[in-house]
Amino acid sequence: AQSVAQPEDQVNVAEGNPLTVKCTYSVSGNPYLFWYVQYPNRGLQFLLKYITGDNLVKGSYGFEAEFNKSQTSFHLKKPSALVSDSALYFCAVPGGATNKLIFGTGTLLAVQP
Amino acid sequence: NAGVMQNPRHLVRRRGQEARLRCSPMKGHSHVYWYRQLPEEGLKFMVYLQKENIIDESGMPKERFSAEFPKEGPSILRIQQVVRGDSAAYFCASSPGVGGYGYTFGSGTRLTVV
Repeated sequence: AQSVAQPEDQVNVAEGNPLTVKCTYSVSGNPYLFWYVQYPNRGLQFLLKYITGDNLVKGSYGFEAEFNKSQTSFHLKKPSALVSDSALYFCAVPGGATNKLIFGTGTLLAVQP
Repeated sequence: NAGVMQNPRHLVRRRGQEARLRCSPMKGHSHVYWYRQLPEEGLKFMVYLQKENIIDESGMPKERFSAEFPKEGPSILRIQQVVRGDSAAYFCASSPGVGGYGYTFGSGTRLTVV
């Protein structure tokens, strides 16, 4: 069964430092992979997706993610964190018989000023 | 383009009442999904619908919960005889297709059962 795992419940980083939010996947075949962000009391917003092609995917708000097939990972990164990046981040993969999106448990990113 | 519209944003129900949550997908999107987010938990898939059809209800509780997406009008998630454990944020999302399209989410309905 298709699944994603986010091993960290929370990531703390100082403003201006690089950030990484981890995601590993388990899929059969070629994966489609997604990252979403959720700000407090809001719905999820799409950040970026990997379908095929370049392993480094660029998305919204300066975020990027690196697809690594050998490590089955799709980590979210940003070179310089902002306090406003503090939010809940979810990775996701289509799965099941109907390819609905299956989400990881989420990682809370806290950026300290 | 107004995006995915959910209403109400907040809903308070007493135990035993019915809750009706509405979702209008983005224009041009024919696939609708409902997810539930419990406090301190991730997003759990509930149901996937297309117009007049339930495609996948593998995440729906067996009792009290139902969903529809009629030919005209919004998708409705209905919870009968609500209990305290139904208190959660319910999110609707829509997409133009499956697989690589990704979803557009609404802002959610926060249900509180008192």
